[in-house]
Amino acid sequence: SQQGEEDPQALSIQEGENATMNCSYKTSINNLQWYRQNSGRGLVHLILIRSNEREKHSGRLRVTLDTSKKSSSLLITASRAADTASYFCATDSSFGNEKLTFGTGTRLTIIP
Amino acid sequence: SAVISQKPSRDICQRGTSLTIQCQVDSQVTMMFWYRQQPGQSLTLIATANQGSEATYESGFVIDKFPISRPNLTFSTLTVSNMSPEDSSIYLCSAARDNEQFFGPGTRLTVL
Repeated sequence: SQQGEEDPQALSIQEGENATMNCSYKTSINNLQWYRQNSGRGLVHLILIRSNEREKHSGRLRVTLDTSKKSSSLLITASRAADTASYFCATDSSFGNEKLTFGTGTRLTIIP
Repeated sequence: SAVISQKPSRDICQRGTSLTIQCQVDSQVTMMFWYRQQPGQSLTLIATANQGSEATYESGFVIDKFPISRPNLTFSTLTVSNMSPEDSSIYLCSAARDNEQFFGPGTRLTVL
């Protein structure tokens, strides 16, 4: 399977600012999920957006999905130092076999 | 969400030896997955483990190198055989529930 792309690869912002990360993928999907990973540890599931949804919110997170452009964005509002982590998008195919294809990831650094 | 545990959390192994990683899910799931994350990289799917059948391996991964067991609906093991330094990675298992996929904390393997 082809890996998706995320941009930027790295992002540094001041605490309190908003952070936006983008994800592009190559094939038709069922769902797109966003994950956070702190310092090479396990992945924390953040949010799932289905292919028939365009926007979803969870706390300070806002995710959009544009299936016509095969892209998604993750917005973190009012960033905190604890948001410093790597963020990955992952897609599963429209065949519904639940295998995930991960993007390349964005390394987010929040500067106190 | 699903709670997934892995053992060991980390290990340092000698070249040519094998390591078996265990993954336990807090409830029954149909499919479990094993991923590898090489240093500074994103996640790559190794194989899908279904209970009662042989694992399905992705391109570039073979059963002789990464044998997998799935004896019941809550447990799976991945063995990394005849290890070389190139096998140094984080190995993660995951399971899906309601289309959301949850990950264990990972096993950090270093091969000397």
